[in-house]
Amino acid sequence: GENVEQHPSTLSVQEGDSAVIKCTYSDSASNYFPWYKQELGKRPQLIIDIRSNVGEKKDQRIAVTLNKTAKHFSLHITETQPEDSAVYFCAASKNDYKLSFGAGTTVTVRA
Amino acid sequence: NAGVTQTPKFQVLKTGQSMTLQCAQDMNHEYMSWYRQDPGMGLRLIHYSVGAGITDQGEVPNGYNVSRSTTEDFPLRLLSAAPSQTSVYFCASWDSGRVTDTQYFGPGTRLTVL
Repeated sequence: GENVEQHPSTLSVQEGDSAVIKCTYSDSASNYFPWYKQELGKRPQLIIDIRSNVGEKKDQRIAVTLNKTAKHFSLHITETQPEDSAVYFCAASKNDYKLSFGAGTTVTVRA
Repeated sequence: NAGVTQTPKFQVLKTGQSMTLQCAQDMNHEYMSWYRQDPGMGLRLIHYSVGAGITDQGEVPNGYNVSRSTTEDFPLRLLSAAPSQTSVYFCASWDSGRVTDTQYFGPGTRLTVL
């Protein structure tokens, strides 16, 4: 099955700086790559996603890039704010109904 | 529109007991799934359904059963609870075919097996 690795497991950044989280996947047939944000005690919520026919997607302060050749994709958060502190999960899927998740990255934004 | 609802929010079981975690959605989504979340391991797929009457196994199906008799409901049954099933369980639903296949997660059920 699909194997998704996520790095780093923890990330501490100064408010206003950028944060980057990277994921690699094993199945070259995967074609859908969502990112979820989970605040403590809450449910995961989709923040951005990308399909394999697109190399980059941006939504305000967050962006995702995809390198199909290298089988990796990254989440970029610019101008980080305290409310960006959360656990972020990447995922990959090749058939839309079986997501494989990374282990998560705990992001802490220092004021 | 309540989205995805799960009951109960918290549950404590003794080893060997059985129970059903409930999940319902009111968005008329075709697809529903169950995940478990353990510290440091992300979310792992237990079972999923692509429509009423159709279910299949995910990554970690052992010890769990599901059924999908209606579009709205997708209960998860623990047949004989074990301490290894202590986890947070999330149900999700979505409707594929759109530009964005957003999975909507329920609020979760925190299960402890003693």
